[in-house]
Amino acid sequence: QSVLTQPPSASGTPGQRVTISCSGSSSNIGSNYVYWYQQLPGTAPKLLIYSNNQRPSGVPDRFSGSKSGTSASLAISGLRSEDEADYYCAAWDDSLSGRGVFGTGTKVTVL
Amino acid sequence: EMQLVESGGGLVQPGGSLRLSCTASGFTVSDNYMSWVRQAPGKGLEWLSIIYIAGNTYYADSVKGRFTISRDTSKNTLYLQMKSLRAEDTAVYYCASAIAPAQFDFWGQGTLVTVSS
Repeated sequence: QSVLTQPPSASGTPGQRVTISCSGSSSNIGSNYVYWYQQLPGTAPKLLIYSNNQRPSGVPDRFSGSKSGTSASLAISGLRSEDEADYYCAAWDDSLSGRGVFGTGTKVTVL
Repeated sequence: EMQLVESGGGLVQPGGSLRLSCTASGFTVSDNYMSWVRQAPGKGLEWLSIIYIAGNTYYADSVKGRFTISRDTSKNTLYLQMKSLRAEDTAVYYCASAIAPAQFDFWGQGTLVTVSS
């Protein structure tokens, strides 16, 4: 029962820019930081973006995040074959007694 | 080197119980937020539970009352006690350390739990 909504798929050719949206509400994205995770096939997720738009050490600057109101976006510029993966947004949700929430996930395909 | 190693997964009958362990090396479990996240076959990520540095615990509605998160500082290990297991609990279970409640900066490799008769 994902609280954050993402498009199921996105695609682009090498070198293109791809954007993934993440829609939430005032109790999660609207009042807390957004995080993005990349999951390559058969592996554990990896933190890609934290605090809305910050990249951990080692993450290429081709990846960027933004947030506005109750929505967030992840952009991948200069798309590469190794970017083909599943991407998830996440946030803390202040409703009820508090809980973590993930997005529904977006499969990025490099054509 | 930081490492999280999960164990304890396996096949369990519906209604049964299982305890997952997540042993950390290279850092101290009690100095971090620690969480459990699962992924059913072919599905997305589902947050399950977190234990704060201060010891507060939070759960997803789907597991509240059935799962219990805990830690043993002497063993530097995180646990997830699962009871009243259902077929829909079948998933790969990951433990993760977090700097903030939803900022999972380091993940284990996952352990598969299969609930089936």
